[in-house]
Amino acid sequence: ETGVTQTPRHLVMGMTNKKSLKCEQHLGHNAMYWYKQSAKKPLELMFVYSLEERVENNSVPSRFSPECPNSSHLFLHLHTLQPEDSALYLCASSQDRLINSPLHFGNGTRLTVT
Amino acid sequence: DQQVKQNSPSLSVQEGRISILNCDYTNSMFDYFLWYKKYPAEGPTFLISISSIKDKNEDGRFTVFLNKSAKHLSLHIVPSQPGDSAVYFCAASPYSGYALNFGKGTSLLVTP
Repeated sequence: ETGVTQTPRHLVMGMTNKKSLKCEQHLGHNAMYWYKQSAKKPLELMFVYSLEERVENNSVPSRFSPECPNSSHLFLHLHTLQPEDSALYLCASSQDRLINSPLHFGNGTRLTVT
Repeated sequence: DQQVKQNSPSLSVQEGRISILNCDYTNSMFDYFLWYKKYPAEGPTFLISISSIKDKNEDGRFTVFLNKSAKHLSLHIVPSQPGDSAVYFCAASPYSGYALNFGKGTSLLVTP
């Protein structure tokens, strides 16, 4: 499989649930990202990992917890979310965080918090 | 405050004509600009980019123009095709880092 793969594609969870989003990239890239896309808002950067080290955290609430076990895999652990966290969560990778190279996005996970 | 603005939420163009999508930015530190295209139920895909040392970059039917003094860039699609119907996002970042800032997107509809 090529590119960036995200699972699941759709997720419905209650406010007390714990779930995880998974992302895998097959491009040999060194940097991985989580973005959030809410309705009628620009894509918002949540987390950046470069060579498995978190290098950026854009003031994201602690109910979102990222994990990057290796350069090909990225997780977003979710717990006690709020309904306003319902959004499309996109994973992306790039060759290198410091080189201006394009992001390659997965197809996203559509999250609904009930 | 939003640093990358796409002021037209939607655009409709006839097949074969030119599509022009516009983007304005406010941060003078932005040095690298990209356009992404997104179909429904898919993630954004990279289309074309330009760095601030250039004012034009061309790739097939797609051309991006950059006017640094006006803090404005545009994407031209010539000729437009029905398969170009998608949401187009403008993005920008400063040279030194990778904090990509995205616009809200413009939905392009190309009609036969």
